[in-house]
Amino acid sequence: GAVVSQHPSWVICKSGTSVKIECRSLDFQATTMFWYRQFPKQSLMLMATSNEGSKATYEQGVEKDKFLINHASLTLSTLTVTSAHPEDSSFYICSASIDGGFGYTFGSGTRLTVV
Amino acid sequence: EDQVTQSPEALRLQEGESSSLNCSYTVSGLRGLFWYRQDPGKGPEFLFTLYSAGEEKEKERLKATLTKKESFLHITAPKPEDSATYLCAGTDSNYQLIWGAGTKLIIKP
Repeated sequence: GAVVSQHPSWVICKSGTSVKIECRSLDFQATTMFWYRQFPKQSLMLMATSNEGSKATYEQGVEKDKFLINHASLTLSTLTVTSAHPEDSSFYICSASIDGGFGYTFGSGTRLTVV
Repeated sequence: EDQVTQSPEALRLQEGESSSLNCSYTVSGLRGLFWYRQDPGKGPEFLFTLYSAGEEKEKERLKATLTKKESFLHITAPKPEDSATYLCAGTDSNYQLIWGAGTKLIIKP
């Protein structure tokens, strides 16, 4: 089945530094990938939609200069949290669309802690 | 406004005690209704997709059903390993996923 690999699983960084999270589709080509943020005991909040070879589409209220998304190939999308601050601490999850939007598979998530 | 509402927020059951989780939706042009399982600190794991009212799908102790207004996830004789948060989501006419807040299921041995 379609598998999405997300790395790292967790990361701790100092305030002001940048962190990159990778999302890879292992056995299929993902034209579209999605990045979510999840706060404790809450559901997933879509941050942006990433399309291979073009600029990402950000949801309202998401700072595109803080959350840089690159989807340079059909198997890799990256999310870079720039100049991270403690309020950016959260659980970030990527997802890839399969079957043209009739199915979605998720990465295992990245727990980001900014100290 | 498109919306997906799950109930209850949390459900505690004894092992073997069957029950159902509810997902009510108002999604224009619903393309599909998804059920996912999420364990703590993990990404959602796909369970089912339902496309039309009357459709049912089963997997082990789980059965998902769909009507024009809601979906149910029935769990029969649950085991402690079924404990997780169950998420429901609908895709609209633009294939955008609209998520419910989830139901946290706890199965006590």
